[in-house]
Amino acid sequence: DGGITQSPKYLFRKEGQNVTLSCEQNLNHDAMYWYRQDPGQGLRLIYYSQIVNDFQKGDIAEGYSVSREKKESFPLTVTSAQKNPTAFYLCASSIGAGGYEQFFGPGTRLTVL
Amino acid sequence: AQSVTQLDSHVSVSEGTPVLLRCNYSSSYSPSLFWYVQHPNKGLQLLLKYTSAATLVKGINGFEAEFKKSETSFHLTKPSAHMSDAAEYFCVVSDGNAGNMLTFGGGTRLMVKP
Repeated sequence: DGGITQSPKYLFRKEGQNVTLSCEQNLNHDAMYWYRQDPGQGLRLIYYSQIVNDFQKGDIAEGYSVSREKKESFPLTVTSAQKNPTAFYLCASSIGAGGYEQFFGPGTRLTVL
Repeated sequence: AQSVTQLDSHVSVSEGTPVLLRCNYSSSYSPSLFWYVQHPNKGLQLLLKYTSAATLVKGINGFEAEFKKSETSFHLTKPSAHMSDAAEYFCVVSDGNAGNMLTFGGGTRLMVKP
């Protein structure tokens, strides 16, 4: 089955720790995205990548970092600099730019203890 | 710049009655418009999309939406609600520029009463 996988589904972190969220896709999509969703709110873009070895900041990139070493993988690191990291994180991919729909993974819920 | 406004944060209907979820958009270019659905603690699933072809777009699960350029609207409808339709719905706009950035509305929570 083609799709996007995210792991883990639930993640708990102590304050001051960095954590990395995994996102893998086997759709052969060029573009990948990370979003943050807070309760009762829409999605906000953290980072995106249009091609391997290239990525751009979204609207709320502070306190986050990414890498795109392989086409199918786009991990997100939540650093200790992120002041309020507790949220639901969604990864997505699309064929490319130009109005194509994005396909979403099932999400990772991060809770800071 | 593009933006999208979902006019109702919550909508409640009875099972078997029509559903109307309202969305207005703003875009500097010819937009692509999408409706996504999200069930609790799940990812988003595409319901339907408009990309400058037919203005009445049919999607999955009996949903459809009509693109009205003069009103800058893209309202989502369904003739008869089912209990399984209870979820969060997001209207999304993309102007196709700057790397296919999607702008999400704030979401509408649909509740379906038996």
